[in-house]
Amino acid sequence: EVQLLESGGGLVQPGGSLRLSCAASGFTFSSYAMTWVRQAPGKGLEWVSATSGSGGSTNYADSVKGRFTVSRDNSKNTLYLQMNSLRAEDTAVYYCAKALTSIAVAAPLDYWGQGTLVTVSS
Amino acid sequence: EIVMTQSPATLSVSPGERATLSCRASQSVSSNLAWYQQKPDQAPRLLIYGASTRATGIPARFSGSGSGTEFTLTISSLQSEDFAVYYCQHYNNWPQTFGQGTKVEIK
Repeated sequence: EVQLLESGGGLVQPGGSLRLSCAASGFTFSSYAMTWVRQAPGKGLEWVSATSGSGGSTNYADSVKGRFTVSRDNSKNTLYLQMNSLRAEDTAVYYCAKALTSIAVAAPLDYWGQGTLVTVSS
Repeated sequence: EIVMTQSPATLSVSPGERATLSCRASQSVSSNLAWYQQKPDQAPRLLIYGASTRATGIPARFSGSGSGTEFTLTISSLQSEDFAVYYCQHYNNWPQTFGQGTKVEIK
């Protein structure tokens, strides 16, 4: 059974940093691209970042480019999102999600974690 | 960046009726379009990918159509568990973007 478990969320001051983790199990982690999607309170879904199975290819939304870094440790089956220079508008539930296929980096997302809440506030 | 626009924002439907949701892309995304369902306090669930292929375990009452810039999600006969918010997302290039969502509520 595929499982994705996010952690690392919490309250952080504007300008601060946070690292989110997503522990994966139930599939060959290194074979699949992984994605971060966020959802501000009461709002819709926003695609944030994605990385290839090897981690060698990464992509970011303009809203986080230069501030967030996605990475993965395939030996630990874990995906990360390093978030720096956080702003109030980064407040959201952050989901990690698995690509449907092992072929493409850009792919629909077939499994999602339950999310971790990041609150940026003084 | 490709902008995805969903309509309507809210759809009021009676159980057993048909629901038709629309999604428009600001430029062609070919058939690289997915639909997701999200219920309150839950993660999204993949319903449709490739514009028209149902994901594993998705009931046949859900169907998708379209290509290029115009897409439709149809729920043929709404069940109580189908009342939720539905999002379209393209995965044709970067950044992948979501529509703003359509809330399907009980009439």
